[in-house]
Amino acid sequence: ETGVTQSPTHLIKTRGQQVTLRCSSQSGHNTVSWYQQALGQGPQFIFQYYREEENGRGNFPPRFSGLQFPNYSSELNVNALELDDSALYLCASSLTGDGITDTQYFGPGTRLTVL
Amino acid sequence: AQSVTQLGSHVSVSEGALVLLRCNYSSSVPPYLFWYVQYPNQGLQLLLKYTTGATLVKGINGFEAEFKKSETSFHLTKPSAHMSDAAEYFCAVRTDTGRRALTFGSGTRLQVQP
Repeated sequence: ETGVTQSPTHLIKTRGQQVTLRCSSQSGHNTVSWYQQALGQGPQFIFQYYREEENGRGNFPPRFSGLQFPNYSSELNVNALELDDSALYLCASSLTGDGITDTQYFGPGTRLTVL
Repeated sequence: AQSVTQLGSHVSVSEGALVLLRCNYSSSVPPYLFWYVQYPNQGLQLLLKYTTGATLVKGINGFEAEFKKSETSFHLTKPSAHMSDAAEYFCAVRTDTGRRALTFGSGTRLQVQP
């Protein structure tokens, strides 16, 4: 069974630029959730995708957008980067409809630094 | 709305001592509760979860947690700390209504002294 993978591991961007982060979900999972974890804080929910549709969104502005592909992998796009976007971005996959609370399994994260 | 409060941002114990990490939640509907561990520069690993049924839940690495509805708590314990337990621990809550996202606490950093 393949776990959740994310790429790249680290990324440095400058303010105003755009960034795309990628996530491959665990084998058999159909749902991907993205979280932002600022330094010293718990993860904050950005949004979730189920069967290629957005299935819920947290308190993040529209410049945070995403996609889910037919193979259930996903992308997180952030436009007009701000310094406060510097964080660890975590992807989690789960199986919606398994009847067992849709437990989320996390990838190792992408560390984004905005200068 | 649901929320999680983790009391104590830092906890330090001696190797072999009891580990107790506190978590209180707020939820208007029956919650699902989770503990995750995060080692430095890594993602989150699921330790254990409470769904329904038995209120004492056993997880990996010797950890367990007890769901106490009357106290709205889900504290994490381990009888004997090991040096390898040093990490950040996050409590999280999810419900079956509305958005199926996890709401996390702010985390507790566990230090284990030799």
